[in-house]
Amino acid sequence: AQKITQTQPGMFVQEKEAVTLDCTYDTSDQSYGLFWYKQPSSGEMIFLIYQGSYDEQNATEGRYSLNFQKARKSANLVISASQLGDSAMYFCAMREYPDYKLSFGAGTTVTVRA
Amino acid sequence: DAMVIQNPRYQVTQFGKPVTLSCSQTLNHNVMYWYQQKSSQAPKLLFHYYDKDFNNEADTPDNFQSRRPNTSFCFLDIRSPGLGDAAMYLCATSRVDHRDEQFFGPGTRLTVL
Repeated sequence: AQKITQTQPGMFVQEKEAVTLDCTYDTSDQSYGLFWYKQPSSGEMIFLIYQGSYDEQNATEGRYSLNFQKARKSANLVISASQLGDSAMYFCAMREYPDYKLSFGAGTTVTVRA
Repeated sequence: DAMVIQNPRYQVTQFGKPVTLSCSQTLNHNVMYWYQQKSSQAPKLLFHYYDKDFNNEADTPDNFQSRRPNTSFCFLDIRSPGLGDAAMYLCATSRVDHRDEQFFGPGTRLTVL
């Protein structure tokens, strides 16, 4: 069974607008972590933001915020004030502790229009 | 700056000709990972090392092997590359604390002719 589901293969967003990328996960563990990575066309995976399963507050990192809804098992990424440089593939991933491997979703391609 | 380095960035090999991809890190992380990523797909974990302990994913073909001679370096050997092995190969490292993310290198794009 898929552990991470990203249902949006591709999205377009206007520059300076916000965009929400969906991520749902499946685990029976109580202790886990959720990660978002950005992969530009150059190929490098860039870590964006982390949310722990026991964290009570939603994570934020600059223009990135994570809308964590534990009961619904969702961890959506919100990018505010989109920039042209945000055009990339975005992956949601989960780590189920004590394992340290990541399970990745299929990714969402974001294209920011000027 | 501490980082994960992969060499070469682009590798072209011939069908069946062995190839070795290299990864080094200055982060002193315990764990090193090798991923295979095909176009527009999620990275697929091939194997990882926790210190010197090697862990192979169940569906990693025998054609793929790895070596980690020391903490800093890890190599991916493809013994007889097939056309289906053309992909981006990503190396990553991490510690094992709860919060720790994986740090990725820039990747090696492998072409098989």
